[in-house]
Amino acid sequence: DVKVTQSSRYLVKRTGEKVFLECVQDMDHENMFWYRQDPGLGLRLIYFSYDVKMKEKGDIPEGYSVSREKKERFSLILESASTNQTSMYLCASTRPGFRHNEQFFGPGTRLTVL
Amino acid sequence: QKEVEQNSGPLSVPEGAIASLNCTYSDRGSQSFFWYRQYSGKSPELIMFIYSNGDKEDGRFTAQLNKASQYVSLLIRDSQPSDSATYLCAVNRLAAGNKLTFGGGTRVLVKP
Repeated sequence: DVKVTQSSRYLVKRTGEKVFLECVQDMDHENMFWYRQDPGLGLRLIYFSYDVKMKEKGDIPEGYSVSREKKERFSLILESASTNQTSMYLCASTRPGFRHNEQFFGPGTRLTVL
Repeated sequence: QKEVEQNSGPLSVPEGAIASLNCTYSDRGSQSFFWYRQYSGKSPELIMFIYSNGDKEDGRFTAQLNKASQYVSLLIRDSQPSDSATYLCAVNRLAAGNKLTFGGGTRVLVKP
């Protein structure tokens, strides 16, 4: 069974804080993704990584950065949190070509920025 | 035009009836198509994927793909209250590599 875990289910931070969201997968997947999900806007891709130390911007990268130092771990960083970054953050992973690029999701982190 | 479109709903269905969900996509180079179910406050979980024209059945779920008309649908037979969730359509576009593009989701309510 593929397992994708995220460091926190709920997180409350203050405006201006630096925030780290961690994601770990145990299936040796090359590709990992960070999404945010907001009502009425669906899942929007923030960043993805296709291998260790490799990253590519998604559709909404502004205000975020990422780090992938090890294959199993993909971190999302909010350099200076703002209230408009209050959202549900979802991490996903896949192995290229596996079941036509099916993505496996972690449980999500609901972040509130006050 | 959005790349992947779904009716946001809610789609209200009596228990035991068939729920029919539709998804249209704009990129003719799309290769594979996924239906995810998402319960409130939870993460998406895969129900089915389809990549060939026609129907694919798995239990009470049937996915239908028509590449010429650029739509993919999901039928839920014998709907149960536990099927009440948001259903996300996702598309793997050839130009996007391994990335998926998601629709906004259709909320389904199954009433006992």
